[in-house]
Amino acid sequence: GNSVTQMEGPVTLSEEAFLTINCTYTATGYPSLFWYVQYPGEGLQLLLKATKADDKGSNKGFEATYRKETTSFHLEKGSVQVSDSAVYFCALSTSLIQGAQKLVFGQGTRLTINP
Amino acid sequence: DTGVSQNPRHKITKRGQNVTFRCDPISEHNRLYWYRQTLGQGPEFLTYFQNEAQLEKSRLLSDRFSAERPKGSFSTLEIQRTEQGDSAMYLCASSLAWSNTGELFFGEGSRLTVL
Repeated sequence: GNSVTQMEGPVTLSEEAFLTINCTYTATGYPSLFWYVQYPGEGLQLLLKATKADDKGSNKGFEATYRKETTSFHLEKGSVQVSDSAVYFCALSTSLIQGAQKLVFGQGTRLTINP
Repeated sequence: DTGVSQNPRHKITKRGQNVTFRCDPISEHNRLYWYRQTLGQGPEFLTYFQNEAQLEKSRLLSDRFSAERPKGSFSTLEIQRTEQGDSAMYLCASSLAWSNTGELFFGEGSRLTVL
């Protein structure tokens, strides 16, 4: 079946450090890939996405590249800020009836950035 | 606020009681999803509506769970005869029918604690 595996957390970094959160997936077909973020006290929100192999998603200084050959979608940011502290979820989409998309999530990685 | 709204935000109940959660999606969104998230895990798909039709249900949704969306707007998720294993965050999300990219808009969730 379809599944997503994320690196285990929690991850603690100092401000301006380089961030990588690993994500690998197992899927039939060609899913779209996503990173969702959950800030404290808020709902999940889309951070970035990529819909086909070699696509790069980017937003708020974060980037992730859809690597079909390694079935990976690692999240990176060159210089993290305290405001990036949140839980990050990698996800893939599979099709439901009438074209809707079901998201399959990884377990989440809690990121804490210290000033 | 024009985001996805969920009520109540927190519910504490005794084992065996029934509980109901309500979700008000973004007004123009005709797709509505319910997910469940347990501590330290990513959200898991429960069920999906397009307008008032419930089109797919996960095997996670036992007979004690029922979801409705009677007029294609708000939705309710009822859990009968609650068990301690039902303790989780119940997330609602919505999307536009013509958006097949998998981007969902999530509410802040309803946290259920079964004593």
